[in-house]
Amino acid sequence: EPEVTQTPSHQVTQMGQEVILRCVPISNHLYFYWYRQILGQKVEFLVSFYNNEISEKSEIFDDQFSVERPDGSNFTLKIRSTKLEDSAMYFCASSTPGEDTEAFFGQGTRLTVV
Amino acid sequence: DQQVKQNSPSLSVQEGRISILNCDYTNSMFDYFLWYKKYPAEGPTFLISISSIKDKNEDGRFTVFLNKSAKHLSLHIVPSQPGDSAVYFCAASRNSGYALNFGKGTSLLVTP
Repeated sequence: EPEVTQTPSHQVTQMGQEVILRCVPISNHLYFYWYRQILGQKVEFLVSFYNNEISEKSEIFDDQFSVERPDGSNFTLKIRSTKLEDSAMYFCASSTPGEDTEAFFGQGTRLTVV
Repeated sequence: DQQVKQNSPSLSVQEGRISILNCDYTNSMFDYFLWYKKYPAEGPTFLISISSIKDKNEDGRFTVFLNKSAKHLSLHIVPSQPGDSAVYFCAASRNSGYALNFGKGTSLLVTP
């Protein structure tokens, strides 16, 4: 069964450093998303990406964040200068276009900022 | 601003009985509703969905009911099995391709 894959599974970084989280969405999907879940809190939407541009973003997704689809298979989330409060599980998801189609999530990357 | 609310943080049910998980939403623009199941250290796994034009959708042991006038949906699992023990998230969006708004989740424990 096709799945969304994320690497790395766990990333530890020092405050102020840049991190890139990587995702390979399901191959025939055209919508791509990043979500995050801070420990003990709900899953929160960050950004959606369609047709090589951001289609929607939340207020969490400020100038520190960027997304890119550098080639036909990868989808990345970059955090330029990490803060302690960026520590969370980051989930990539993808979906097909059309009515009533669900998003499939990856296993997540646990980001720990120290 | 909590647009999707799951007011029960936990639920315990005996194996073989019905589990009912509830969810309320506030945004009348939401058109598409989903339930995801999540185990610790894993991503959410899609379970079942319903669009606003329906009031019920069934898939095996899982049934989702939608009451648009009350802005309420529920997930019924019958019969419940120990393997159903997980955190269940309700999510809502304007439609496919739009942001999913998640509830805080309900932790279901099914005991033998």
